[in-house]
Amino acid sequence: EAGVAQSPRYKIIEKRQSVAFWCNPISGHATLYWYQQILGQGPKLLIQFQNNGVVDDSQLPKDRFSAERLKGVDSTLKIQPAKLEDSAVYLCASSPYGTASTDTQYFGPGTRLTVL
Amino acid sequence: AQSVTQLGSHVSVSEGALVLLRCNYSSSVPPYLFWYVQYPNQGLQLLLKYTSAATLVKGINGFEAEFKKSETSFHLTKPSAHMSDAAEYFCAVTQSSGANNLFFGTGTRLTVIP
Repeated sequence: EAGVAQSPRYKIIEKRQSVAFWCNPISGHATLYWYQQILGQGPKLLIQFQNNGVVDDSQLPKDRFSAERLKGVDSTLKIQPAKLEDSAVYLCASSPYGTASTDTQYFGPGTRLTVL
Repeated sequence: AQSVTQLGSHVSVSEGALVLLRCNYSSSVPPYLFWYVQYPNQGLQLLLKYTSAATLVKGINGFEAEFKKSETSFHLTKPSAHMSDAAEYFCAVTQSSGANNLFFGTGTRLTVIP
Protein backbone atom coordinates (compact mmCIF):
# COMPACT_ATOMS: atom_id res chain seq x y z
CA GLU A 1 0.00 0.00 0.00
CA ALA A 2 1.43 3.37 -0.98
CA GLY A 3 2.00 5.83 1.84
CA VAL A 4 1.15 9.50 2.14
CA ALA A 5 2.86 11.45 -0.64
CA GLN A 6 3.99 15.04 -0.33
CA SER A 7 5.69 17.45 -2.68
CA PRO A 8 7.94 19.26 -2.89
CA ARG A 9 10.28 17.82 -0.27
CA TYR A 10 12.22 21.05 0.10
CA LYS A 11 11.40 24.66 -0.69
CA ILE A 12 13.37 27.86 -0.18
CA ILE A 13 11.64 31.21 -0.67
CA GLU A 14 12.09 34.80 0.36
CA LYS A 15 9.76 36.48 2.81
CA ARG A 16 6.57 37.89 1.34
CA GLN A 17 6.61 35.30 -1.44
CA SER A 18 3.90 32.67 -1.85
CA VAL A 19 4.30 28.90 -1.63
CA ALA A 20 2.06 25.86 -2.00
CA PHE A 21 2.43 22.31 -0.75
CA TRP A 22 0.64 19.26 -2.06
CA CYS A 23 -0.45 16.09 -0.27
CA ASN A 24 -1.94 12.86 -1.56
CA PRO A 25 -3.22 10.70 1.31
CA ILE A 26 -3.41 6.93 1.45
CA SER A 27 -6.13 5.74 -0.91
CA GLY A 28 -9.52 5.56 0.77
CA HIS A 29 -8.57 7.51 3.87
CA ALA A 30 -11.38 9.84 4.92
CA THR A 31 -9.46 12.22 7.15
CA LEU A 32 -6.52 14.40 6.20
CA TYR A 33 -4.39 16.57 8.50
CA TRP A 34 -1.79 19.29 8.00
CA TYR A 35 0.75 19.83 10.78
CA GLN A 36 3.49 22.42 11.21
CA GLN A 37 6.69 21.22 12.89
CA ILE A 38 9.06 24.00 13.89
CA LEU A 39 12.65 22.96 14.63
CA GLY A 40 12.93 21.61 18.16
CA GLN A 41 9.17 21.30 18.66
CA GLY A 42 6.54 18.66 18.17
CA PRO A 43 4.08 18.85 15.28
CA LYS A 44 1.17 21.24 15.74
CA LEU A 45 -2.13 20.70 13.94
CA LEU A 46 -3.02 23.40 11.43
CA ILE A 47 -6.14 21.98 9.82
CA GLN A 48 -8.12 18.75 9.71
CA PHE A 49 -10.44 17.64 6.89
CA GLN A 50 -12.95 14.84 6.87
CA ASN A 51 -13.63 14.02 3.23
CA ASN A 52 -13.80 17.52 1.70
CA GLY A 53 -15.14 19.32 4.79
CA VAL A 54 -13.12 21.16 7.44
CA VAL A 55 -13.33 19.59 10.93
CA ASP A 56 -10.89 21.89 12.74
CA ASP A 57 -8.95 24.91 11.51
CA SER A 58 -8.72 26.76 14.82
CA GLN A 59 -4.88 26.87 14.72
CA LEU A 60 -4.59 27.93 11.08
CA PRO A 61 -3.37 31.55 10.66
CA LYS A 62 -6.11 32.40 8.23
CA ASP A 63 -4.70 35.80 7.29
CA ARG A 64 -1.91 34.06 5.39
CA PHE A 65 -2.57 30.31 5.32
CA SER A 66 -5.24 28.54 3.31
CA ALA A 67 -5.96 24.90 2.57
CA GLU A 68 -8.36 22.98 0.45
CA ARG A 69 -9.24 19.38 -0.20
CA LEU A 70 -11.26 19.33 -3.35
CA LYS A 71 -13.10 16.08 -4.14
CA GLY A 72 -12.11 14.72 -0.75
CA VAL A 73 -8.82 13.25 -1.94
CA ASP A 74 -5.61 15.26 -2.29
CA SER A 75 -5.02 18.58 -0.59
CA THR A 76 -3.07 21.81 -1.02
CA LEU A 77 -1.75 24.09 1.71
CA LYS A 78 -0.80 27.62 0.70
CA ILE A 79 1.05 30.41 2.47
CA GLN A 80 0.68 33.92 1.10
CA PRO A 81 2.71 35.95 1.97
CA ALA A 82 5.33 33.96 3.86
CA LYS A 83 7.08 35.23 6.99
CA LEU A 84 10.39 34.20 8.48
CA GLU A 85 8.61 32.38 11.31
CA ASP A 86 6.89 30.08 8.80
CA SER A 87 10.17 28.20 8.34
CA ALA A 88 9.27 24.68 9.40
CA VAL A 89 8.49 21.19 8.18
CA TYR A 90 4.92 20.84 6.98
CA LEU A 91 3.60 17.34 7.56
CA CYS A 92 0.54 15.80 5.99
CA ALA A 93 -1.16 12.82 7.59
CA SER A 94 -4.23 10.73 6.87
CA SER A 95 -6.38 8.30 8.81
CA PRO A 96 -8.83 5.71 7.56
CA TYR A 97 -12.08 6.65 9.17
CA GLY A 98 -13.76 9.71 10.53
CA THR A 99 -12.67 11.48 13.66
CA ALA A 100 -12.40 8.52 16.03
CA SER A 101 -9.73 9.15 18.62
CA THR A 102 -8.31 5.65 18.24
CA ASP A 103 -7.54 6.11 14.55
CA THR A 104 -3.90 5.83 13.65
CA GLN A 105 -2.59 8.77 11.67
CA TYR A 106 -0.16 7.93 8.86
CA PHE A 107 2.36 10.64 8.10
CA GLY A 108 4.06 11.67 4.90
CA PRO A 109 7.76 12.62 4.72
CA GLY A 110 7.03 16.33 5.01
CA THR A 111 8.01 19.47 3.12
CA ARG A 112 10.85 21.47 4.63
CA LEU A 113 10.25 25.20 4.07
CA THR A 114 12.97 27.77 4.55
CA VAL A 115 11.96 31.43 4.41
CA LEU A 116 14.88 33.84 3.91
CA ALA B 1 -7.25 20.63 27.45
CA GLN B 2 -4.65 17.98 26.73
CA SER B 3 -0.88 18.19 26.78
CA VAL B 4 2.17 16.00 27.19
CA THR B 5 5.56 16.69 28.70
CA GLN B 6 8.60 14.74 27.60
CA LEU B 7 11.41 14.87 30.13
CA GLY B 8 14.81 15.05 28.50
CA SER B 9 15.23 16.44 25.02
CA HIS B 10 18.27 14.20 24.49
CA VAL B 11 18.89 10.70 25.82
CA SER B 12 22.03 8.64 25.17
CA VAL B 13 22.32 4.93 25.85
CA SER B 14 24.88 2.29 25.03
CA GLU B 15 24.02 -0.40 22.53
CA GLY B 16 22.35 -3.25 24.44
CA ALA B 17 21.30 -1.05 27.36
CA LEU B 18 17.77 -0.29 28.52
CA VAL B 19 15.96 2.52 26.73
CA LEU B 20 13.62 4.64 28.87
CA LEU B 21 11.92 7.71 27.38
CA ARG B 22 9.61 9.60 29.71
CA CYS B 23 6.20 11.08 28.96
CA ASN B 24 3.70 12.62 31.36
CA TYR B 25 0.29 13.74 30.25
CA SER B 26 -2.34 16.19 31.34
CA SER B 27 -5.94 15.63 30.35
CA SER B 28 -9.31 16.63 31.74
CA VAL B 29 -10.92 13.54 30.21
CA PRO B 30 -9.68 9.96 29.82
CA PRO B 31 -6.83 10.15 27.35
CA TYR B 32 -5.62 8.10 24.47
CA LEU B 33 -1.83 8.12 24.22
CA PHE B 34 0.57 7.49 21.37
CA TRP B 35 4.29 7.15 20.76
CA TYR B 36 5.65 8.04 17.32
CA VAL B 37 9.20 7.73 15.99
CA GLN B 38 10.78 10.02 13.41
CA TYR B 39 13.90 8.99 11.53
CA PRO B 40 15.95 11.70 9.78
CA ASN B 41 14.18 13.19 6.78
CA GLN B 42 11.19 10.92 7.23
CA GLY B 43 7.65 11.33 8.49
CA LEU B 44 6.40 10.08 11.83
CA GLN B 45 5.70 6.38 12.28
CA LEU B 46 3.42 4.98 14.96
CA LEU B 47 5.23 2.81 17.53
CA LEU B 48 2.28 2.04 19.78
CA LYS B 49 -0.93 3.46 21.20
CA TYR B 50 -2.97 3.19 24.40
CA THR B 51 -6.72 3.20 23.88
CA SER B 52 -7.83 1.89 27.32
CA ALA B 53 -7.90 -1.82 26.39
CA ALA B 54 -4.77 -2.76 28.35
CA THR B 55 -2.38 -0.66 30.42
CA LEU B 56 0.75 -2.39 29.08
CA VAL B 57 1.00 -1.79 25.36
CA LYS B 58 3.44 -3.57 23.09
CA GLY B 59 4.52 -1.93 19.87
CA ILE B 60 6.81 -2.45 16.94
CA ASN B 61 10.58 -2.98 17.08
CA GLY B 62 10.46 -4.34 20.65
CA PHE B 63 9.14 -1.17 22.28
CA GLU B 64 6.46 -1.11 24.95
CA ALA B 65 4.82 1.46 27.19
CA GLU B 66 2.76 1.29 30.38
CA PHE B 67 -0.15 3.61 31.11
CA LYS B 68 -0.11 4.63 34.79
CA LYS B 69 -3.08 6.75 35.68
CA SER B 70 -1.88 7.42 39.24
CA GLU B 71 1.36 8.89 37.87
CA THR B 72 -0.19 10.39 34.70
CA SER B 73 2.64 8.73 32.81
CA PHE B 74 3.15 6.74 29.63
CA HIS B 75 6.87 6.01 29.52
CA LEU B 76 8.40 4.17 26.54
CA THR B 77 10.86 1.34 27.16
CA LYS B 78 12.94 -1.19 25.26
CA PRO B 79 15.09 -3.78 27.06
CA SER B 80 18.06 -3.63 24.69
CA ALA B 81 18.94 -0.70 22.43
CA HIS B 82 20.03 -1.22 18.84
CA MET B 83 21.92 1.24 16.70
CA SER B 84 18.88 1.42 14.44
CA ASP B 85 16.81 2.88 17.33
CA ALA B 86 18.59 6.21 17.02
CA ALA B 87 15.83 8.67 16.12
CA GLU B 88 13.49 11.28 17.57
CA TYR B 89 10.58 10.03 19.64
CA PHE B 90 7.34 11.91 20.19
CA CYS B 91 4.64 11.27 22.76
CA ALA B 92 1.15 12.48 21.87
CA VAL B 93 -2.26 12.62 23.51
CA THR B 94 -5.80 12.93 22.31
CA GLN B 95 -9.07 12.82 24.14
CA SER B 96 -11.31 9.77 24.20
CA SER B 97 -14.36 11.75 23.14
CA GLY B 98 -14.95 14.54 20.70
CA ALA B 99 -12.28 15.77 18.33
CA ASN B 100 -9.26 13.54 17.80
CA ASN B 101 -6.59 16.21 17.50
CA LEU B 102 -3.18 14.90 18.47
CA PHE B 103 -1.20 17.08 20.88
CA PHE B 104 2.50 16.27 20.64
CA GLY B 105 5.32 16.70 23.11
CA THR B 106 8.54 18.42 22.14
CA GLY B 107 10.30 15.14 21.39
CA THR B 108 13.29 13.22 22.75
CA ARG B 109 16.28 12.53 20.55
CA LEU B 110 17.74 9.09 21.28
CA THR B 111 21.41 8.47 20.57
CA VAL B 112 22.75 4.92 20.73
CA ILE B 113 26.46 4.63 21.49
CA PRO B 114 28.29 1.60 20.01
